[in-house]
Parts: sequence; structure tokens; C-alpha cells
Amino acid sequence: DIQMTQSPSTLSASVGDRVTITCRADKNISPWLAWYQQKPGKAPKLLIHDVSTLETGVPSRFSGGESGTQFTLSISSLQPDDFATYFCQQYSNYPYTFGQGTKVEIK
Amino acid sequence: EVRLVQSGAEVKKPGESLKISCETSGYSFPTFWVGWVRQMPGKGLEWMGNIFPRDSDTRIRPSFQGQVTLSADKSRRTVFLQWSSLRASDSGIYYCARLRRSPGDYYFDSWGQGTLVSVSS
Repeated sequence: DIQMTQSPSTLSASVGDRVTITCRADKNISPWLAWYQQKPGKAPKLLIHDVSTLETGVPSRFSGGESGTQFTLSISSLQPDDFATYFCQQYSNYPYTFGQGTKVEIK
Repeated sequence: EVRLVQSGAEVKKPGESLKISCETSGYSFPTFWVGWVRQMPGKGLEWMGNIFPRDSDTRIRPSFQGQVTLSADKSRRTVFLQWSSLRASDSGIYYCARLRRSPGDYYFDSWGQGTLVSVSS
């Protein structure tokens, strides 16, 4: 299985901050990586697919990038609605695998 | 609008059988893969398997092989996840999600609301 190592597990930040979450794959998966946002009691919501393609309707403050086998999700200016848990996921190979998640909480 | 609506929460005993459903609307049901993802309490996401409703082709994670069954009913636009004998370790939230194809591969673009399964003696 492809291991997805996501960091940090928790991130404390303030409204207006720029935040970056990292996901590292132990094999080459590019460009088959997605990012999801999950709020308590809700289903995950697709934010980004194919490393950097923003899903329709997702605010432009979200962006995705990569450098080798390391992938990033950035939020340029954190908004109150962005406090949630974020997961990366590779869909390059079966079984699909997810990162452990990053909880973005209010500082 | 693409919608996936899952069946309600279940409380079961170990050894019992269970079939949960995911009813879809708003797209061509036969031609999109649908997957199932498990979330244990307070934990991360784990892909279980995918089914292609047109021909019921399935891909199942090896650790779930023989433990669960995926099926689809085209007339009802519904996919199912089934257990013949539940264990306490099957407790969790189960999500169905539609897979959309990028130029090369598939990712989850629309999700059901989740079905909570509780298994306890």
C-alpha cells in the first residue's frame, strides 16, 4: 500500500493567517492526489484534485502544490469557515489511501 | 445536482447481518464508479472498495475481502454495502462517494452523509 504521511496532525492558527499542510507519499503518485475538508459530523468535501485543480465552488484562497513526492495544501488567508480537519488522498493505485488528517483549530 | 443519500444509523449485535444503502440522483448512475469509505470513531478515512454499477465490477481492499459485499441495483440507482456477520470492530461511520474521472484516474467528488453502524453485545 502507498503510505501517505500528513503533517502536522494539529495546527493552531488565527483568522487571516496563511497555513500550509503537507502530505508525503512513499511512492510516486503525481498527479493523482486530492484534498478534502471535513467538519465535525459531516462528510468530507472535495477541495482539490489532481494535485492543484480547485473543485468548482471552492474559494480561491485554497491552493495545492507539489515538490517531488511532497504535496501541500495552502490556505492564503484563513477564514472562520475553514476551521476543520483536512485529509489528503492518493488515487494513483489501489488501495486508495488517505493521510491521517490535520485538524486546523483556532489559536 | 449530484446527490447521494444513505440509509439511517444501525445498532446491531455481533454475528448479525446488515445491508446499508446509498441512493443516488442527478447523474448517469450506471457510468460512474461509487466507493465506500470507513471512518472509525475519531479516526481517519479508510477506503473499502468501489463498484461500477453498469456491470457490478468491483475493487475491494484486500483487508475487506470476504468481509463485505458491494452490490448495485440499477433500477433503484442504489448501491449497497453488506456484512453477513458483523464484529464489534465494524463499528464506525460508512460513507459512499461517487468517483469522477480526471484525465487519468478517479477521485471522490460527491459524498453521502454517512451511515453510523454500532455493533455491540
